[in-house]
Formats: sequence, C-alpha cells, structure tokens
Amino acid sequence: DQQVKQNSPSLSVQEGRISILNCDYTNSMFDYFLWYKKYPAEGPTFLISISSIKDKNEDGRFTVFLNKSAKHLSLHIVPSQPGDSAVYFCAALPSYDKVIFGPGTSLSVIP
Amino acid sequence: DGGITQSPKYLFRKEGQNVTLSCEQNLNHDAMYWYRQDPGQGLRLIYYSQIVNDFQKGDIAEGYSVSREKKESFPLTVTSAQKNPTAFYLCASSIDLGTGARYGYTFGSGTRLTVV
Repeated sequence: DQQVKQNSPSLSVQEGRISILNCDYTNSMFDYFLWYKKYPAEGPTFLISISSIKDKNEDGRFTVFLNKSAKHLSLHIVPSQPGDSAVYFCAALPSYDKVIFGPGTSLSVIP
Repeated sequence: DGGITQSPKYLFRKEGQNVTLSCEQNLNHDAMYWYRQDPGQGLRLIYYSQIVNDFQKGDIAEGYSVSREKKESFPLTVTSAQKNPTAFYLCASSIDLGTGARYGYTFGSGTRLTVV
C-alpha cells in the first residue's frame, strides 16, 4: 500500500503557463516533505522541501504548498520552461532518517 | 568535481548469475544508499549504510547484498535469489542519515540491469 501517492502519471503544460504537480500521503505523522526532479538516464536531484509546520515554501519559480488537513501537497512551477520536462518525485519522511518516495509524475512542457 | 559514480551504465545478466554494481563517491559522505526504480513505482530502498563497516536492510533487501569496507565505496550484489532483478538501480549518498533525508541526497546516474 503506497503511503505517498502521485495519482497523475503524466502532465502536459504549455511553455510559460503554470505546472501543478500533486501528491497525497496517508500518514499524518509525516513531518517533512521533499520534491525531486529526474531526467531520463540520470539520478534524481533535490528540488525543494517543506516542513509540516509551514504551509508554503518558495524558491524561485518553484513553490510547494502543504495542506495538512487534506494530507496533500503540491508543487507549482511558474512559468514553466521546456527544461522543466522531467519526472518529479514527491517524498515524505516518516522519521528523521527515512524517506518514502512516490511513484513520480512525468511533466512535459510544450514549447 | 565531487560526485557519485555508478558503473556500468547498462548491465546484462543471465538468469542464475550474481552481478555486482559499483558505486563510488568522493564527497566525503558518511551515509550511502541503494534504491531500485521500477516503472510506475517510486524509488524503493534496498540497503543503506551510515558508516564504514555498517549497513542496514531497507524495504526490499531480499536477494541483494552489500559491503562497506571503504567510506567511498558501497557496491551492491544482485544475487540469483532476487526473483525480478531487471530494474534501474540508483546509488545515493549524504553527509549523514538525517541531513540527507531533510536536505536531499546526492544520486548517481544509475545502472540499468537487464536479465536475459
């Protein structure tokens, strides 16, 4: 049973528009969340994170929103660029040293 | 440049054979990890090591073995006992377990293993 879910396997967005990637989790005890980005044939790279004591964290074009009551977080990319085309993994921490990854969402940004 | 090197990039194995995937880092990180990626699934943890000569099983350790004789190296052996070994294998490292979890791991480029 997946504890971190990304229900959209893929997403297509026009260049310049907003990309919204969603993630749901099952355990209300998770206290930290991360997003990773992965290009084909490469390892994932860390993108942005958020603590459960916050509801928003922003880094340039990337913003992560956390809704604890809904056990939902989302990654917003504004404006989307073709170089953002990649697989995005949501991850959650059930403890200080353990990470659970979601299945990933493949984002295609169309020029 | 500091980083993690995984080799080979592609590996083919006959059924019943053991095979070893290499992972080397020059980041001076204490913690190292092996993950497996399958289509439609997230990265799943096979083994991790927080210090030399120590390693722990992850969520899917059956059919795999590791060693950590040097800080820089964390090789993974896929044994014949692994029922479905065809997958993309990723090695990662971090300063320590807690820092890596919260501030992100450094991943290698992966090894794609195919059983033929």
